[in-house]
Amino acid sequence: GAGVSQTPSNKVTEKGKYVELRCDPISGHTALYWYRQSLGQGPEFLIYFQGTGAADDSGLPNDRFFAVRPEGSVSTLKIQRTERGDSAVYLCASGDSTDTQYFGPGTRLTVL
Amino acid sequence: SQQGEEDPQALSIQEGENATMNCSYKTSINNLQWYRQNSGRGLVHLILIRSNEREKHSGRLRVTLDTSKKSSSLLITASRAADTASYFCATGKTGTASKLTFGTGTRLQVTL
Repeated sequence: GAGVSQTPSNKVTEKGKYVELRCDPISGHTALYWYRQSLGQGPEFLIYFQGTGAADDSGLPNDRFFAVRPEGSVSTLKIQRTERGDSAVYLCASGDSTDTQYFGPGTRLTVL
Repeated sequence: SQQGEEDPQALSIQEGENATMNCSYKTSINNLQWYRQNSGRGLVHLILIRSNEREKHSGRLRVTLDTSKKSSSLLITASRAADTASYFCATGKTGTASKLTFGTGTRLQVTL
């Protein structure tokens, strides 16, 4: 079956602009996670959804970052007033009841 | 923040040899998972071991977990060039939602 998909695969934007990153989880997975990975590092947790609600948003670095999952399926990560330090690969994962997380291919965000 | 460290940071072996990677973590966990990542993009789930388990096998992979030492190891037997990738351990903590905290990764190079 289809895995987790993320769009776009690459996004280049200018400092100060607004971006939206989209994640389509595996059908039927109620849990959805966003992570951010900088070069040479492991992924770092941003936010976790269980259904439509954010169960844990403790990893969001500041109020410029926001994520939604209005119908409990697709999720959008929104970044306002982007900064060069936001450049990273943004990874989405979805999960079932077994604790295993299945990752998408990521969106590489470059802020110029 | 990263949960812990993988050791070594980089490993180069020849095809057919075994590769062993170690992971240390800092806090109590519910489970520990190993992932593989090619070219800095999506992560592929390899194996999950729970805190009450000591060893698990999957094909050419063997994972051990020592909760008293807060450490895990991943053994890849009879390595192949296709095993070349970065390997990450990730922990799910006791008492929290199942967000994962990743280590810093081991870069494995398997040469012919």
